[in-house]
Amino acid sequence: GQNIDQPTEMTATEGAIVQINCTYQTSGFNGLFWYQQHAGEAPTFLSYNVLDGLEEKGRFSSFLSRSKGYSYLLLKELQMKDSASYLCAVKSSGGYNKLIFGAGTRLAVHP
Amino acid sequence: DTGVSQDPRHKITKRGQNVTFRCDPISEHNRLYWYRQTLGQGPEFLTYFQNEAQLEKSRLLSDRFSAERPKGSFSTLEIQRTEQGDSAMYLCASSLDNLSSYTFGSGTRLTVV
Repeated sequence: GQNIDQPTEMTATEGAIVQINCTYQTSGFNGLFWYQQHAGEAPTFLSYNVLDGLEEKGRFSSFLSRSKGYSYLLLKELQMKDSASYLCAVKSSGGYNKLIFGAGTRLAVHP
Repeated sequence: DTGVSQDPRHKITKRGQNVTFRCDPISEHNRLYWYRQTLGQGPEFLTYFQNEAQLEKSRLLSDRFSAERPKGSFSTLEIQRTEQGDSAMYLCASSLDNLSSYTFGSGTRLTVV
């Protein structure tokens, strides 16, 4: 079966650091993606991990451990505009490599 | 290229009516996906096209749903005899190849009353 778990909601303070965790159990693995989605808008691509380790891109970093079925998204120097949902998605290796999404983590950044 | 376009942005329809949505992917992308998203949930896969061929359909896609991509460019998603449970955001995404991320359109929000 396919299962992707992430916390439903998180809150953080402007300027702080927040880590959003994602655990997955999927039939096959061909990479993990993080997307940001503001309310009423399309998901936008943030990061992609296919090998173990940390990928850094500006204020955002993403980590992957394939043996543990675990990833996290790290957001530094939080800004109010970072208030959004963050979607963890796994690309399956079976079928046609479609993305399977978690339910998303709603992050609220407060002053 | 302006990205992935979806039309309409919003659709309100009465239960039992048919609706059709359109998606125009990024022009050089040969892969096109339809997803459905309800409030507080992540997108759920509906169907996948490579060029004009529909290669995979989710079990979520009942026989009331049909999708086409006739010339391998734009795609349409039709829902016949709509039900209140069909109310959701319908997202279209496209990608260049197997390794690329998806680019999503802004979605069509369907409300069935």
